Formats: sequence, C-alpha cells, structure tokens
Amino acid sequence: NAGVTQTPKFQVLKTGQSMTLQCAQDMNHEYMSWYRQDPGMGLRLIHYSVGAGITDQGEVPNGYNVSRSTTEDFPLRLLSAAPSQTSVYFCASSLTSGSGIGGELFFGEGSRLTVL
Amino acid sequence: SQQGEEDPQALSIQEGENATMNCSYKTSINNLQWYRQNSGRGLVHLILIRSNEREKHSGRLRVTLDTSKKSSSLLITASRAADTASYFCATVLTDSWGKLQFGAGTQVVVTP
Repeated sequence: NAGVTQTPKFQVLKTGQSMTLQCAQDMNHEYMSWYRQDPGMGLRLIHYSVGAGITDQGEVPNGYNVSRSTTEDFPLRLLSAAPSQTSVYFCASSLTSGSGIGGELFFGEGSRLTVL
Repeated sequence: SQQGEEDPQALSIQEGENATMNCSYKTSINNLQWYRQNSGRGLVHLILIRSNEREKHSGRLRVTLDTSKKSSSLLITASRAADTASYFCATVLTDSWGKLQFGAGTQVVVTP
C-alpha cells in the first residue's frame, strides 16, 4: 500500500516552460487536493476534487490547471511557469463526506519546484 | 488571509518538558485538525476534533477546542527529541467542506 505518490520529487524549470506534477493514490479516496508550501505561509490550497470529473478552485488557483479522469490520479499542470511558482507542492487525499473532506488528509512527500 | 494562526511561531524545549501551542481561527468550523511535518517530509495527521467536542487525547497528545473563543491548543507531554517538527492546525469550515485551510505552523525543537 503506497499511499499518495508524487513525481517528480525535484524539478527545475525556466520561466515560460510548462510541466505536470503527477499525483496518484491507491486508497480509493474520492477527495484529492493540491497545496503549495512557502516559507512562513503554511500551506495554501490550489485546486481540489471530490471525485472523478469534478474539480474546484482553492485559494491560489491562477497559473495552475487540474483534471480528474480517474479516482486514482490528480495531475497538476503549470501552464507557463513563473518564478513566483517556486515552491514545494503537496498532493493530499481523503475520504469524502458529502461534497467535502470526510476526515484526515493523507499527504505525499512533496515535489520541490524551482523556476528560474 | 489564513483561517488558522498558530502561536508561538517557534518553541524550544528540553526533553521531558511539555510543549503547548495554540491555534486561533476566524469563522465557524466543522472540525479542526492538527498535523506534524518533519523537515523535508510531507504532513502527517495527528488528531481531528469536531466542533461539538471539547477535548481529545491520543497517546502523549492532548487537544482542546473552545468554539466560543475560536481557539484550539495542542499539548505534547513528556517531549522527546523525535517530536522536533513543525506543527500545523487546519480547519474545515462549516460552509466550505471541500477546503482544509492551514495556519503557518509552530516550529518545535526538542533538545536532549
């Protein structure tokens, strides 16, 4: 049982490049989400999904795109990378209760992105 | 702006001492959760306390919730060097179940 798996662990991009951060979970969780973590600011929610085909915006969605075609996968796309997107990105999943989070979040180990 | 804010921002204690950190939030919540993050790792869930609960225990952890003051506290008793980590509170709002909002965290250092 792998839990939540994120790839890549490290990535360096140049301004304007695009890339996709991958996230997969094997716990059959309906709820999945992406956060970014910056020094002194805690975690901020980018996008989340309460099931396949359903996504919604969090606090800081601009510059990011998501889709949810399967229960297991929730990729995060950076359309045109900017230095302000340098951060550590975490994917997390949970059971659902209705249209929201049913309990604890299970986190991946993070993807460290640097945009030059 | 952040929903939850932890206090203090940093805490340094000796092994065997208790560590207490507080979390204040702004709007009505469904539940409040505490997480731990070791350096360079993902977050790990510690305790979830619902809005109709006042206190919960898990091993050496004790969490209280005062909804009238919109605040929670996390107490770690008999601290160990392995408790060195950042601790975050997070809230699920009553009108926004899809979003778990985190505070900036308390960095705890436990010295042997």
